[in-house]
Amino acid sequence: DSGVTQTPKHLITATGQRVTLRCSPRSGDLSVYWYQQSLDQGLQFLIQYYNGEERAKGNILERFSAQQFPDLHSELNLSSLELGDSALYFCASSSSGRASTGELFFGEGSRLTVL
Amino acid sequence: AQSVTQLGSHVSVSEGALVLLRCNYSSSVPPYLFWYVQYPNQGLQLLLKYTSAATLVKGINGFEAEFKKSETSFHLTKPSAHMSDAAEYFCAVSDSGGGADGLTFGKGTHLIIQP
Repeated sequence: DSGVTQTPKHLITATGQRVTLRCSPRSGDLSVYWYQQSLDQGLQFLIQYYNGEERAKGNILERFSAQQFPDLHSELNLSSLELGDSALYFCASSSSGRASTGELFFGEGSRLTVL
Repeated sequence: AQSVTQLGSHVSVSEGALVLLRCNYSSSVPPYLFWYVQYPNQGLQLLLKYTSAATLVKGINGFEAEFKKSETSFHLTKPSAHMSDAAEYFCAVSDSGGGADGLTFGKGTHLIIQP
């Protein structure tokens, strides 16, 4: 158990819909990272938050957005969903503000299926 | 831009045999390099990381990796494979400079252990 909690574990929805994925980081971790894992693209870094502020942005689509709340949990919002958005979405947390200096602890992921 | 290439999407070894998983990196600045393991239906877990302190890095579960700058490689090895090592292994790189700071992962190598 990494200590990172993601909900829901599975989600099935239709094209054009909007979903919210939630992540609770390990106790005390200030950084939250979001990754998308798909068969064709592999693991893609989406975005990082540190103590409520956006720290780094990767390959995140404009239809996607995220935020980190004062209690440090984070939400990833995916809108106008397309079939290609079907993937496993991972959240990871770290005590460090930089992925290079800290260990990332991953949740078990939220599997999104868009029909 | 930084990147990693993992040679071989699938590697099969016999139980007790040497495990060798290959990773080559590309980075314009001195890199931080990582190996993560993903067991079925779980999130990623850090095996080991290189942060320039020593070229031979020892990790958990008997794994180690050697940083070779001349070959731009960071291959993962284990002297004797165990059935419990069957999993997906990911090599990752992080920019040690001031760039965007999410880890960049390779496509992964699925390790199969034959009894």
